[in-house]
Amino acid sequence: DTAVSQTPKYLVTQMGNDKSIKCEQNLGHDTMYWYKQDSKKFLKIMFSYNNKELIINETVPNRFSPKSPDKAHLNLHINSLELGDSAVYFCASSQFRGTREQFFGPGTRLTVL
Amino acid sequence: AQTVTQSQPEMSVQEAETVTLSCTYDTSESDYYLFWYKQPPSRQMILVIRQEAYKQQNATENRFSVNFQKAAKSFSLKISDSQLGDAAMYFCAYEYKLVFGAGTILRVKS
Repeated sequence: DTAVSQTPKYLVTQMGNDKSIKCEQNLGHDTMYWYKQDSKKFLKIMFSYNNKELIINETVPNRFSPKSPDKAHLNLHINSLELGDSAVYFCASSQFRGTREQFFGPGTRLTVL
Repeated sequence: AQTVTQSQPEMSVQEAETVTLSCTYDTSESDYYLFWYKQPPSRQMILVIRQEAYKQQNATENRFSVNFQKAAKSFSLKISDSQLGDAAMYFCAYEYKLVFGAGTILRVKS
């Protein structure tokens, strides 16, 4: 049973399109995250939600909008996709108070043509 | 702002030997967590080991151990008896917001 799942795993789209990536965790965690890994493998946090409340919002273009309908889900919607958005996007979850260990999803490779 | 530095872009080790990956960080906090994550070619991020800053004892998980020097803000990972399956990108990371280092590619030679 997958702990943190993301759909889709691969996404190829044209510049200017709007796309969404979905994330679900079945670990009972109260905090979820989105990370971006660029072509040089550098990982950077984008957003974090704790109990459906946005608690981390790093410097990210406002074309990126996260949405957490409940504690188990965190989706990422991207408007007007640009070439520079091509990357691997990881979802993760953790229990906010505790060991702080984050469990990662398998990643979504987004390619913008 | 917290920063994490991994000064070794790439390391190689012979199978069955020991290798140490370096990591330094910068923070003004006194209590925090540090992590090493492994990312094999499958791209899945896997937690290798965790260290709590208030614990003086270095964390150990089977063949993986850390050398945590709080005053020096250093957090190195030692892999003993290296195996082919250890070949991956290794990331050092700080705290719950997970500020990551740039990563170290570990190659294991048979």
